[in-house]
Amino acid sequence: KAGVTQTPRYLIKTRGQQVTLSCSPISGHRSVSWYQQTPGQGLQFLFEYFSETQRNKGNFPGRFSGRQFSNSRSEMNVSTLELGDSALYLCASSFPDLATTNEKLFFGSGTQLSVL
Amino acid sequence: QQPVQSPQAVILREGEDAVINCSSSKALYSVHWYRQKHGEAPVFLMILLKGGEQKGHDKISASFNEKKQQSSLYLTASQLSYSGTYFCGTEAGANNLFFGTGTRLTVIP
Repeated sequence: KAGVTQTPRYLIKTRGQQVTLSCSPISGHRSVSWYQQTPGQGLQFLFEYFSETQRNKGNFPGRFSGRQFSNSRSEMNVSTLELGDSALYLCASSFPDLATTNEKLFFGSGTQLSVL
Repeated sequence: QQPVQSPQAVILREGEDAVINCSSSKALYSVHWYRQKHGEAPVFLMILLKGGEQKGHDKISASFNEKKQQSSLYLTASQLSYSGTYFCGTEAGANNLFFGTGTRLTVIP
């Protein structure tokens, strides 16, 4: 079974631009969560999607958004990029759902975003 | 809602033991532990669901004290392969995990 796939692996953008990151969960997983990882802050929760619906959202500004498609693939978008958005963005999927968060997360390798 | 992990970093010699602590200001439903090696994705270690529960595999185990809202990860007779950053993730009933800032563990020969 293929693991969680994130594309692209690396991305360089300039301030003010927008970016879209993609995540393909493990086949059969319906929940996808997104995290921002920075050296000082660890893993910060962005949002979680289940069956195309955003169920939870972390404490990030509205510039960060996401969506999930009917095949469970997910995208996250960051508009008007700021220098502080430079980070590793990880997505994680779980099976069969995250109703009780008892299911372990399978993480992708992440997209390293650099904002210049 | 982010749990607090301690210590932030620890260096061990092979064969030594270590304890990583994770505490939350909120009542917890479950605690997850993950390990991330440099340049790789975090990998699941274990979930603790009930207060008082203890789990382990190989020489890595964990406990969950529901009343104290904390969990501890125990690494015994450490091996070089244990090196990495350990994260605890806590779930307080909102169907999402909040992770601590991580504990960087380095095992040296």
